[in-house]
Amino acid sequence: DQQVKQNSPSLSVQEGRISILNCDYTNSMFDYFLWYKKYPAEGPTFLISISSIKDKNEDGRFTVFLNKSAKHLSLHIVPSQPGDSAVYFCAASEGTGNQFYFGTGTSLTVIP
Amino acid sequence: GAVVSQHPSRVICKSGTSVKIECRSLDFQATTMFWYRQFPKKSLMLMATSNEGSKATYEQGVEKDKFLINHASLTLSTLTVTSAHPEDSSFYICSARDSASPYYGYTFGSGTRLTVV
Repeated sequence: DQQVKQNSPSLSVQEGRISILNCDYTNSMFDYFLWYKKYPAEGPTFLISISSIKDKNEDGRFTVFLNKSAKHLSLHIVPSQPGDSAVYFCAASEGTGNQFYFGTGTSLTVIP
Repeated sequence: GAVVSQHPSRVICKSGTSVKIECRSLDFQATTMFWYRQFPKKSLMLMATSNEGSKATYEQGVEKDKFLINHASLTLSTLTVTSAHPEDSSFYICSARDSASPYYGYTFGSGTRLTVV
């Protein structure tokens, strides 16, 4: 069964607005979460991470929020830019050196 | 939902030996599977695209004789690291696309941590 879920396969956002990508997980033992960005014909590139001791981590235009009680995390991109158009994956693990469980991805399109 | 099973999750082997990693799509058929290697800073490098019934397509710089890929059925692809060396120690992840899905979403295996001693 899928332990990490991204229920929105695609998302379209106007340039300059906020993009919110969501991710849900079922395993309460997960304590480390990552977001990856993937362009066509390339491997996923690490974007941002968060550990369970935090509920927010910010890096420039990218912010990840973690709601442990809801087993939910989200990635906010603001302002969105056309170059952000890609597939975004969330992933989770128990600890930083263990197996990763990936979501199936959300394809973001930022419209100029 | 689509599930990809990757086995083993961890393996330690001696330098010079070979290690086989399996990637199975459990509830869908995958004509194409992808093999990635994770490098520092966590990004995944695409090593090769595995195509059922034909030869894998390797990315530039990946030694095809060292990383043997076999995709003998619609649900199984294997990656064999031959004559492993300590520098091959890494995290290897497979991914498969369910071609029957209208979304063509990617499903990832949970990865294999290879340590060569």
